[in-house]
Amino acid sequence: EAGVAQSPRYKIIEKRQSVAFWCNPISGHATLYWYQQILGQGPKLLIQFQNNGVVDDSQLPKDRFSAERLKGVDSTLKIQPAKLEDSAVYLCASSLGIGTSVRETQYFGPGTRLLVL
Amino acid sequence: DAKTTQPTSMDCAEGRAANLPCNHSTISGNEYVYWYRQIHSQGPQYIIHGLKNNETNEMASLIITEDRKSSTLILPHATLRDTAVYYCIVRVNNAGNMLTFGGGTRLMVKP
Repeated sequence: EAGVAQSPRYKIIEKRQSVAFWCNPISGHATLYWYQQILGQGPKLLIQFQNNGVVDDSQLPKDRFSAERLKGVDSTLKIQPAKLEDSAVYLCASSLGIGTSVRETQYFGPGTRLLVL
Repeated sequence: DAKTTQPTSMDCAEGRAANLPCNHSTISGNEYVYWYRQIHSQGPQYIIHGLKNNETNEMASLIITEDRKSSTLILPHATLRDTAVYYCIVRVNNAGNMLTFGGGTRLMVKP
């Protein structure tokens, strides 16, 4: 079974530029998550989708971050404009859905490492 | 979700069992214990989860105390590839599926 795919793996941009990350979840997984992991810390949830609807985006800095999952499969996370403190690894995860502990187990992609100069 | 307390770091000799403790004294009756690990430069990897009973899979065993206030993840025969940060997370299902990661335990497996 293919895992969660993310691209690009690495990105270097200058502050005030824009950047976008792409995620393809495991086939059949209805729930998709974006996490931000700053160096030395555990991942922090940014946004959660159930199919193409947003379940939780309370920790997403909406003045500069946006995310979409238009067809309920792939997702894109965008930062515009980027700040120095956005340097982090951006992780995408997916799960089958909700309802049981097995369905809700999350599987993570390799992440996109962003460096803002 | 209840908070967890884990040691910052641990060492283990290759081939020996690695026992990683986690304290979750404020856990509620409907909260599961999940364990993930993160190998350097990779995304977190699901290991195991449980509610009350001990659990075992091909990767590890999870021992949950009877009062559920603590648990131990056991890697029966640690290898160098098990060197990673191990996260213990407690969460309620049907609560938005959010995983709240703490600092985890950095396990170093030494030859």
